[in-house]
Amino acid sequence: DAGVIQSPRHEVTEMGQEVTLRCKPISGHDYLFWYRQTMMRGLELLIYFNNNVPIDDSGMPEDRFSAKMPNASFSTLKIQPSEPRDSAVYFCASSLSSGVSAYGYTFGSGTRLTVV
Amino acid sequence: DAKTTQPPSMDCAEGRAANLPCNHSTISGNEYVYWYRQIHSQGPQYIIHGLKNNETNEMASLIITEDRKSSTLILPHATLRDTAVYYCIVRAMNTGFQKLVFGTGTRLLVSP
Repeated sequence: DAGVIQSPRHEVTEMGQEVTLRCKPISGHDYLFWYRQTMMRGLELLIYFNNNVPIDDSGMPEDRFSAKMPNASFSTLKIQPSEPRDSAVYFCASSLSSGVSAYGYTFGSGTRLTVV
Repeated sequence: DAKTTQPPSMDCAEGRAANLPCNHSTISGNEYVYWYRQIHSQGPQYIIHGLKNNETNEMASLIITEDRKSSTLILPHATLRDTAVYYCIVRAMNTGFQKLVFGTGTRLLVSP
């Protein structure tokens, strides 16, 4: 398995533009997570899905952020409109729900977003 | 999830053992201790987890005190590639799915 795949690796956009980040989880994993990492706030959980259904979006900062998971192999995180304070590294992770998963979460390589 | 306390940074000489402590004095009986690490510019990586017994795998050993209020992650022979931020997380596993919440971790610097 190629692991959790995120795209793009880097994104530079102008303030006010729409940004879409993409994630392909590990096949067979039934949980998917979106995290954001900044120097000031560290790793923050934004939202997670179970079997493609959003379970907890309490970490989503505001209405400008939205996430979808149309099927088991794809998820998007969208920011519209983007602002400079959204600049961060966004990580996607996936996991199996069954008991104490031997390997916990598997993270992707992240998308570094810069909003200018 | 219980709160964990880790030193912000540690140094270790290459080839020596790195012992990273974690305090989790309010841990509950059903909470496991997980360790992850994050190498610069990469996503966090699972290392090891345990409940009450000591655990060992190809990456590290986890020593949990008898009262479970603290634990130590041991990298037996640290290499330069082990330079990373190490996160200790406690998480319940038999009360429904519990999300992983990362703290600030310990920044380990392995030097030649």
